[in-house]
Order: sequence, then structure tokens, then C-alpha cells
Amino acid sequence: GAGVSQSPSNKVTEKGKDVELRCDPISGHTALYWYRQSLGQGLEFLIYFQGNSAPDKSGLPSDRFSAERTGGSVSTLTIQRTQQEDSAVYLCASSSRSGNYGYTFGSGTRLTVV
Amino acid sequence: DQQVKQNSPSLSVQEGRISILNCDYTNSMFDYFLWYKKYPAEGPTFLISISSIKDKNEDGRFTVFLNKSAKHLSLHIVPSQPGDSAVYFCAASGHDYKLSFGAGTTVTVRA
Repeated sequence: GAGVSQSPSNKVTEKGKDVELRCDPISGHTALYWYRQSLGQGLEFLIYFQGNSAPDKSGLPSDRFSAERTGGSVSTLTIQRTQQEDSAVYLCASSSRSGNYGYTFGSGTRLTVV
Repeated sequence: DQQVKQNSPSLSVQEGRISILNCDYTNSMFDYFLWYKKYPAEGPTFLISISSIKDKNEDGRFTVFLNKSAKHLSLHIVPSQPGDSAVYFCAASGHDYKLSFGAGTTVTVRA
């Protein structure tokens, strides 16, 4: 597609439920990143994919968080047993090569855990 | 541990005047710095960048200055326009793929 697409754009869920966030990167972009922005905070790195592999998962806050990428394209970020502190905007970005250049961000998923 | 800090959460400036946004970093391994702009309900978009081998980079109304010894960079917008009202994020990286972001500065340009 023309840009990075994320769905849903908004998600309200009850504490304890599982949620799945989806990211469709720009076609042909091999690198994919997940960040999140909590209220009043900067963007916090979560995980990086190169192709279908995740060489760096160091930013995932806990084992309730997992992510996968299939076909070198779509990625899903899953949060199990959501907690209120998981409320944030989750942003996905892709780039055509590994490195900090040419990140294109999606519009994000605003997750609210009530 | 916040490695990139934007100490001013907001900035209000009159149309036509200069906007100056500041950013400080702590990691001496950072060698590439970027500014992103974000409108509500949209993802951040790349604005301008600077490599550590330079101390200034200019692109139209936007100029980024880097002071490596002070671990400080700034973004100047001259002249400020109403469409510049947005959140601006400073970001930095070393020799890897990861960007470290500041908390952002909300700029409001008054007519």
C-alpha cells in the first residue's frame, strides 16, 4: 500500500482481556518496528523485525506482550491479560532497510484498557 | 531511563516569528539525530535530520543545530506558520536501527 496501515485505530478493552493490533507495512519494506506512546511520554521502542525475524525484542514490557510477522509483511502485536498501564498509542513503522533512516509511521492504534 | 529529553512540553509563538525547540541527549554514542512532526490522529512524519559530523542542516524554513559537546540540538522554524502547529519529537540513534525519542513539544502558532 501507499503507507503504513494500522488497525484498529481505536480499541477499548476490559482489563484482563487479550487484544491484537495489526500493522500493514509499506510493500517491500523489510524492516518493521513497534513503538508505543504513553500519556506524556516519548515514543518507547518495543520490537524490531527484519523480515520475519525479530532480532530485538528488548523493549517488550513483559511476557504478556508478543509480536509476530508473517510473509515479511503483516505484523500483529498481541497483549494478553491487558492491564490499565497498557493504555497507550501503539505505533508501527517500516523502512526499506535496516537502520534509522526512512522510517514511515502508521497512524497508530489508541488502546484504552478500562 | 530517558536518553533524549525535551524539557519544554509546549511552545506558543506568533505567526511569522521564530520557533525554537530544544532537545538534550545523554548517550554519547548517538551520532544521528532527527526531528519528527505529528498531527493529531496521525503518525509522526520525518521533518529533518543531522549527522554528528555536521553542526547545522537547513531545509527551507527548518534548520537543525547540533552542539555535540553540550549534547544539545535545536530546531528552528522561521517564519512560523499556522500549519506548523503540531507535536515535534526529537529522536536520536547510534550505529543501529533503534530510535530513542523525546517526549515531544507541542507547538501552537497564533495568528
